[in-house]
Amino acid sequence: DAKTTQPNSMESNEEEPVHLPCNHSTISGTDYIHWYRQLPSQGPEYVIHGLTSNVNNRMASLAIAEDRKSSTLILHRATLRDAAVYYCILVGNTGKLIFGQGTTLQVKP
Amino acid sequence: GAVVSQHPSWVICKSGTSVKIECRSLDFQATTMFWYRQFPKQSLMLMATSNEGSKATYEQGVEKDKFLINHASLTLSTLTVTSAHPEDSSFYICSARETGSSNQPQHFGDGTRLSIL
Repeated sequence: DAKTTQPNSMESNEEEPVHLPCNHSTISGTDYIHWYRQLPSQGPEYVIHGLTSNVNNRMASLAIAEDRKSSTLILHRATLRDAAVYYCILVGNTGKLIFGQGTTLQVKP
Repeated sequence: GAVVSQHPSWVICKSGTSVKIECRSLDFQATTMFWYRQFPKQSLMLMATSNEGSKATYEQGVEKDKFLINHASLTLSTLTVTSAHPEDSSFYICSARETGSSNQPQHFGDGTRLSIL
């Protein structure tokens, strides 16, 4: 499974947009880009996923670069409840999720 | 939304005890479920893929005789940690994927915190 690279940590102010980057230069043509987040002492929560086109849902937006070698998760208005570890994961034909270290997002009031 | 229930939430037991953890998909059918382990301040590590009606597929380095997985129905998978020892203490998390293509999202349980004395 191809790997992803994310910053270890990021900070944001409450009610401001947050852009979480992810690099995946070795992505294959059939890999989907998935994002999950994990709050302390809980299981991960699905956020969004996409293949080539940008995606929007009630939680976030996913912007995928034209060459698919990078993507950005966008939280339009961060709240304190969005503080979590965010994982960007490439999902191939096996459907397995191989978690990296993710990005720890801190949201300041 | 899709809900996965994991039970128990936490368990404390003596060394040598076997512990069973249940993972249920409450409002959807899951042909495939996954089991993960997470140590403090670390990321999740995939242990095995559980397929309904067939044997589980274990990741490299995970002892299948130590971690017994059963997926007898489309809504239930169980993980049994046999003869648990203190080094097996960890946060165990299951997930279930809705029946369909492999790129479908996974829905996670809230985890089971296992402490072996």
